Amino acid sequence: EAEVAQSPRYKITEKSQAVAFWCDPISGHATLYWYRQILGQGPELLVQFQDESVVDDSQLPKDRFSAERLKGVDSTLKIQPAELGDSAMYLCASSLGGIEYFGPGTRLTVT
Amino acid sequence: GQQLNQSPQSMFIQEGEDVSMNCTSSSIFNTWLWYKQDPGEGPVLLIALYKAGELTSNGRLTAQFGITRKDSFLNISASIPSDVGIYFCAGRSNSGNTPLVFGKGTRLSVIA
Repeated sequence: EAEVAQSPRYKITEKSQAVAFWCDPISGHATLYWYRQILGQGPELLVQFQDESVVDDSQLPKDRFSAERLKGVDSTLKIQPAELGDSAMYLCASSLGGIEYFGPGTRLTVT
Repeated sequence: GQQLNQSPQSMFIQEGEDVSMNCTSSSIFNTWLWYKQDPGEGPVLLIALYKAGELTSNGRLTAQFGITRKDSFLNISASIPSDVGIYFCAGRSNSGNTPLVFGKGTRLSVIA
């Protein structure tokens, strides 16, 4: 069964450092999402791509976060510089037919 | 923005008991989805609902799309230890691929 791949699974970084997360969606899924999930909360959208284009990045803190999906397949989410409040689970999802399928996530800890 | 109210926040039940949880919205949704998330993992889809009044089952799980289109319910029958986890409702108010809005989750604990 096809799955969304994410790496790394865990990342510990010091504040003010740069960090990057990678996502490979299910093959053929044109829509890709990055969500952030704080402990005890549901996922919240950061950015949505349709193929290589950004559809919605209204909740992305653009002063420090960036996301790209250059060839419309895999995607990278970057944080620079990381802050203590960025500690969270970063989830990637891809969708087909209105169903979002999630990857295993990257657990980020900023010290 | 849209918010989903999910209840209860947590539940402790005995193995074999049935479980009910629900989700309400301040606005109308066209799609309701229910996910389960294990610790350190991403959410896994359980059930998808597309029509008001729709009742859909997946094994011991049954979910319903409320008639008002502002709520949804998930029931788990005869709970087992592997049902432990966090259950999230998620809804979409428009068609297509607009992002889901998630509830805050119901944490289920099953006592053997």
